[in-house]
Amino acid sequence: GQSLEQPSEVTAVEGAIVQINCTYQTSGFYGLSWYQQHDGGAPTFLSYNALDGLEETGRFSSFLSRSDSYGYLLLQELQMKDSASYFCAVNQAGTALIFGKGTTLSVSS
Amino acid sequence: KAGVTQTPRYLIKTRGQQVTLSCSPISGHRSVSWYQQTPGQGLQFLFEYFSETQRNKGNFPGRFSGRQFSNSRSEMNVSTLELGDSALYLCASSTDSNTEAFFGQGTRLTVV
Repeated sequence: GQSLEQPSEVTAVEGAIVQINCTYQTSGFYGLSWYQQHDGGAPTFLSYNALDGLEETGRFSSFLSRSDSYGYLLLQELQMKDSASYFCAVNQAGTALIFGKGTTLSVSS
Repeated sequence: KAGVTQTPRYLIKTRGQQVTLSCSPISGHRSVSWYQQTPGQGLQFLFEYFSETQRNKGNFPGRFSGRQFSNSRSEMNVSTLELGDSALYLCASSTDSNTEAFFGQGTRLTVV
């Protein structure tokens, strides 16, 4: 089967940098995705890594190491609006995304 | 381009009843997936449909079923509702490459 592990909660202050880790066990692995979900909202796509290395999109970056079955989401220059849940998800061959249980990020001033 | 539309947004049902939820994907998307979200459990995969065929199924009892129509619209049905079925049910659509899923706002089901 598949499993993903990520921390349940992370807290930080505005302007700080936060890293949310994700380890996974799965077969037929294609890539690792990250989604953001605000309270009461729908999950929205942040990033996708199919190859090892760092992908940067503005204040957010995502990293993947296929050999370690590990990835992380890096959020820089944190803002209050970044308070949300963040989910890692594995993309597998011929199937839908499988999600982790999510990390709740609380940003304080 | 219209997003993923789920109806209804909210539902209240009593135990033992059945319910049908609807999802209209983004135009051109053939893959539709359903997830159940409860506090602390993340998004648990229910099933995925692709071109009217169920391609994958998660670890849920047979009371949970679904289908997809020729226009890619999908429905899921839950029969003999239990209190534990209270959750946010999310539908996501994606292109054939499946690298990015687009979610609807969900249907909030409350079973009393």
